Amino acid sequence: SYELIQPPSVFVSPGQTASITCSGDKLGDKYACWYQQKPGQSPILVIYQDNKRPSRIPERFSGSNSGNTATLTISGTQAMDEADYYCQAWDNRIGVFGGGTKLTVL
Amino acid sequence: EVQLVQSGVEVKKPGESLKISCEASGYNFTTYWIAWVRQMPGKGLEWMGIIYPGDDDTRYSPSFQGQVTISADKSIRTAYLQWSSLKASDTAIYYCARYLNNLGFDTWGQGTLVTVSS
Repeated sequence: SYELIQPPSVFVSPGQTASITCSGDKLGDKYACWYQQKPGQSPILVIYQDNKRPSRIPERFSGSNSGNTATLTISGTQAMDEADYYCQAWDNRIGVFGGGTKLTVL
Repeated sequence: EVQLVQSGVEVKKPGESLKISCEASGYNFTTYWIAWVRQMPGKGLEWMGIIYPGDDDTRYSPSFQGQVTISADKSIRTAYLQWSSLKASDTAIYYCARYLNNLGFDTWGQGTLVTVSS
């Protein structure tokens, strides 16, 4: 079955740029989405179709997807961005999530 | 306002059956898919399956095929996830989420905590 691999943790200083990767076989041929989940809350969509932001998501969130890797980039990271982030894609009409990355802002 | 409201906390014993629900409002229920996602304690998100209430087209992750049943009732705008015989390993939070045409899961329910313990 299809797998998406994420680093378990990423650390970033406030105001710096955080990059979270998601790797999968020929992932660039599929659309990738990204979800943010804070403790005790439901996930929220932050990026869809590789690089599109829902209207309520700040501009500092961006995405890219090429080859075998999709990347979520957070520019000017703020303390409020500390959360778990999950990539997601479709393989043969079945959804798949990555294992998740804990973003720590310190 | 688009909303998915899920049923409340469940505490069950191994071997019991269970059906949890996800009630939609604020949009045309029959033209969006509804997915179910599991999150075991302290773990990540797992995609379980999805249903299109317009025609009941349903797909399951291989990991959950045969373990759960996903259904929907258009007349009351509600999707369901059910088990015929729960196991302790089914203890988790279960989320429903709305999906359409590569636009991502744009709306999520608040989650239903299911605890299975003898």
